[in-house]
Amino acid sequence: AQSVSQHNHHVILSEAASLELGCNYSYGGTVNLFWYVQYPGQHLQLLLKYFSGDPLVKGIKGFEAEFIKSKFSFNLRKPSVQWSDTAEYFCASPGSSNTGKLIFGQGTTLQVKP
Amino acid sequence: DVKVTQSSRYLVKRTGEKVFLECVQDMDHENMFWYRQDPGLGLRLIYFSYDVKMKEKGDIPEGYSVSREKKERFSLILESASTNQTSMYLCASSLLGTGETEAFFGQGTRLTVV
Repeated sequence: AQSVSQHNHHVILSEAASLELGCNYSYGGTVNLFWYVQYPGQHLQLLLKYFSGDPLVKGIKGFEAEFIKSKFSFNLRKPSVQWSDTAEYFCASPGSSNTGKLIFGQGTTLQVKP
Repeated sequence: DVKVTQSSRYLVKRTGEKVFLECVQDMDHENMFWYRQDPGLGLRLIYFSYDVKMKEKGDIPEGYSVSREKKERFSLILESASTNQTSMYLCASSLLGTGETEAFFGQGTRLTVV
């Protein structure tokens, strides 16, 4: 079955620390990948997306992600986190479907201590 | 600003009640989705609709039904609420198309069944 997996379920960092959240997908063919973020009390919003081309994707608020095909991975990174980055982060993909349905990872809760 | 609006932020219902969750989008999107969000499980698709009166089961449709009478409105119905349906429910919409389309989410309805 097609799936998206996130390995880190709960991450606690101090401000200015570097962040890397893991995401792996398991399907072949055309790969489309998303990272969404859910700040406390707010709706899910798109951080960044990969469709094709440059495997290093830049998103909003200083986030980036790298698509590594050989590792089936799309890890999210930020060089220096801020307290305002405290949120839940979801990796997602449509898999091989072109209907718009998304398969989500389990989510990672990031807590940044001031 | 694009908007997906869910009618309630919080609901408390009794076991056995019929529950309606409403969602409206103003972006003229063809696709609409209902997801359920539970800690450690990420988002799981309950139902989706790609056109008025059209619907498809997602991964966890048991105990739920949906209605889409107008393009902008997608309702989730819990026929007889049970305590294991206590959860956060997220509505989303997207354009019909390829796997590259971004989904837009509502703020969620936190349903408690007692």
